[in-house]
Amino acid sequence: GENVEQHPSTLSVQEGDSAVIKCTYSDSASNYFPWYKQELGKGPQLIIDIRSNVGEKKDQRIAVTLNKTAKHFSLHITETQPEDSAVYFCAASGGSYIPTFGRGTSLIVHP
Amino acid sequence: NAGVTQTPKFQVLKTGQSMTLQCAQDMNHNSMYWYRQDPGMGLRLIYYSASEGTTDKGEVPNGYNVSRLNKREFSLRLESAAPSQTSVYFCASILAGGQETQYFGPGTRLLVL
Repeated sequence: GENVEQHPSTLSVQEGDSAVIKCTYSDSASNYFPWYKQELGKGPQLIIDIRSNVGEKKDQRIAVTLNKTAKHFSLHITETQPEDSAVYFCAASGGSYIPTFGRGTSLIVHP
Repeated sequence: NAGVTQTPKFQVLKTGQSMTLQCAQDMNHNSMYWYRQDPGMGLRLIYYSASEGTTDKGEVPNGYNVSRLNKREFSLRLESAAPSQTSVYFCASILAGGQETQYFGPGTRLLVL
């Protein structure tokens, strides 16, 4: 089955810095790669996603890049703000509607 | 739309007690899921229901049972709770049919003593 590895497990940055979270996947059949943000005490919520026919996608301060050959994808957050502090999860799925999640990255943005 | 709702929000059980976690969605989604979240372990799939009338085991099904009551509701039952089942439980749903975004409920925090 699919295996998704996510790094780092914790990321601490200063407000205004950029943050990058990386994930690798094992199943070349995976074609959908979402990123979820989980705030304290809440359920995860989709922030951005990318499909395998696209190499990069941006939405304001966040972007996701995908390298199908290397089987890795990354989340980039620019100009970080304290409200970006949360746990971020990557996931991969291959059309079965059963995503495999990474173990999460705790992002801490210091004011 | 309320999205995905879960009850209860918090629960404390004694070892051996049983309980049912309730989940409902009002988005007419086809697929529903139960996950548990433990520190450092991410989200692990317990059971899922691809469509009304079907259920399948996920990664960690032991000690749990599920019922897809109708298209809206998907319940998770612990027949004899164990301390190892102390966790945060999330229900999620997907529309399917090409739409793969998962929508999560707010979670149920369960402590088994």
